[in-house]
Amino acid sequence: GAGVSQTPSNKVTEKGKYVELRCDPISGHTALYWYRQSLGQGPEFLIYFQGTGAADDSGLPNDRFFAVRPEGSVSTLKIQRTERGDSAVYLCASSAKVFLDEQFFGPGTRLTVL
Amino acid sequence: AQKVTQAQTEISVVEKEDVTLDCVYETRDTTYYLFWYKQPPSGELVFLIRRNSFDEQNEISGRYSWNFQKSTSSFNFTITASQVVDSAVYFCALSEVNQGGKLIFGQGTELSVKP
Repeated sequence: GAGVSQTPSNKVTEKGKYVELRCDPISGHTALYWYRQSLGQGPEFLIYFQGTGAADDSGLPNDRFFAVRPEGSVSTLKIQRTERGDSAVYLCASSAKVFLDEQFFGPGTRLTVL
Repeated sequence: AQKVTQAQTEISVVEKEDVTLDCVYETRDTTYYLFWYKQPPSGELVFLIRRNSFDEQNEISGRYSWNFQKSTSSFNFTITASQVVDSAVYFCALSEVNQGGKLIFGQGTELSVKP
């Protein structure tokens, strides 16, 4: 079956612009996670969803970042007024259950803010 | 607070050598899980193993083995008879029961296996 997919694979934008990053989880997976990975670092947690609701958004760096999962499947991470420091690879993962289950990761979206 | 430390930033070995990647974690919870993921040059994280805090039994899977010691808060990963295809960045991660499954990753260890 298909794994986690993310689009676009690469996104280049200018400082101050708005971007949307999309994640398609594995079918049937109820939990969905977003992470951000800067060069040479491990992924850092941003937010996770259980179904449609954001169960924990404590990792979002500020109010320019927002994520939705309206139908409990596809999720969109939205970044307003992008800054150069937002440049990173944004990773999405899904798991069958929330607690402590194996997370399957997508290939990521590389965001570059000029 | 939870934290994962991978002190080895880079390791370089020659094919067929054994190599151990270190992982030390910090948590206040008594119930937690530890993970190892592999990130090859293609970039996609690949799950290797999950171990819960109540199971200190060592695990072996082919050339891979894991040593979990709660007394030293360590979860080390050994590759026996390394191969060039093992070249990747390896991440250790912690997940606490009370934190909803989010993973706290270490900084990663970049392993280079030379022929």
